[in-house]
Amino acid sequence: DTEVTQTPKHLVMGMTNKKSLKCEQHMGHRAMYWYKQKAKKPPELMFVYSYEKLSINESVPSRFSPECPNSSLLNLHLHALQPEDSALYLCASSQDAGQGATNEKLFFGSGTQLSVL
Amino acid sequence: GQSLEQPSEVTAVEGAIVQINCTYQTSGFYGLSWYQQHDGGAPTFLSYNALDGLEETGRFSSFLSRSDSYGYLLLQELQMKDSASYFCASSSGGFKTIFGAGTRLFVKA
Repeated sequence: DTEVTQTPKHLVMGMTNKKSLKCEQHMGHRAMYWYKQKAKKPPELMFVYSYEKLSINESVPSRFSPECPNSSLLNLHLHALQPEDSALYLCASSQDAGQGATNEKLFFGSGTQLSVL
Repeated sequence: GQSLEQPSEVTAVEGAIVQINCTYQTSGFYGLSWYQQHDGGAPTFLSYNALDGLEETGRFSSFLSRSDSYGYLLLQELQMKDSASYFCASSSGGFKTIFGAGTRLFVKA
């Protein structure tokens, strides 16, 4: 199984809603990522978890709250989002090569297309 | 900081060869990756170069010159299905993979 599965595929939410994005992989990868991608732009790194611990937070607003319940699951909790947060949210995983090494091969899920009204 | 520059668009005809260049400025550079993304799809890993030289995977090849801070992706025997966005990405160690702005490849019949 070389898949990263994301749900839901599409999400429409109001600015007062609370919702969660989910991501799952069964490749034994210990590094998991959230990226945000606007149309015709590159993916932008948001968060990285390594061995279920938050390793990188790229100064993401607190209305985005990541969670890694176990080594296979990654969630992104959304609350009080703004219309400019509308984007494709991509989850990715890689083999955790540890500090000083590289994680050059990312496996991406198909993403959640989020629209904030 | 890190920055990667690549052309915004490239157009080529079916059956041709196309080269997509990427120049980078990064601290703690480890290697250069390439990803393909079709409209509405997820980025898919194509290749990775940690050392200077050419890596070949089927119709796709990737090249790196660390001394020139330069790499390229070479696509041979172009097919219509190769029309997509191609991103170079830099791994600077740890987990920070940063993407270039992407090159949209249009393959014409």
